Amino acid sequence: NAGVTQTPKFQVLKTGQSMTLQCAQDMNHNSMYWYRQDPGMGLRLIYYSASEGTTDKGEVPNGYNVSRLNKREFSLRLESAAPSQTSVYFCASRETGTGFLGPTDTQYFGPGTRLTVL
Amino acid sequence: AQSVAQPEDQVNVAEGNPLTVKCTYSVSGNPYLFWYVQYPNRGLQFLLKYITGDNLVKGSYGFEAEFNKSQTSFHLKKPSALVSDSALYFCAVRDWAGKLIFGQGTELSVKP
Repeated sequence: NAGVTQTPKFQVLKTGQSMTLQCAQDMNHNSMYWYRQDPGMGLRLIYYSASEGTTDKGEVPNGYNVSRLNKREFSLRLESAAPSQTSVYFCASRETGTGFLGPTDTQYFGPGTRLTVL
Repeated sequence: AQSVAQPEDQVNVAEGNPLTVKCTYSVSGNPYLFWYVQYPNRGLQFLLKYITGDNLVKGSYGFEAEFNKSQTSFHLKKPSALVSDSALYFCAVRDWAGKLIFGQGTELSVKP
């Protein structure tokens, strides 16, 4: 049980180049999320997918696209990278349900991708 | 609109002393509140959450948090800090669509 995995761990791009960040989860969760982390700003939501086949914009979607390939995988694409997209990107999946202790609602995060755009 | 504030960018504590990391929130309806910890060059790890029930929530690594509805606060606490607790701590609230809204983070530094 690997949880949430992300590839690559590090990437350096030149302005205008494109790339796709990969994310996969093996916990059978319906919802998945992409965040970016910048110093002093916490984590901001880029896009999310409430279930397989659906995607929605978050707080900062400009310059990004996403694909929910199947229940396990949720990728983030930068079509034309800009220096403002230099950041650490985190993928998360969300567990929801009701256990014997009550309702549960928790997001689990991957290790992150550190992206630098020159 | 939902929001979370962490009023302190940094908290410094001596090892063995109690620690508090502050969080206040603004949300309509009943809040779902969370604390996450991030160690250097790592992803976020879930510490604890408040959804319903007792106002004092216990979580991982000896941490606990107290939900205070009248003060709209959810402060993270630990009775005796360890050097290994040094990390970046995030408070978050869940919005109506299930998305998390994060505070800006508080850097906790525990000195021997």
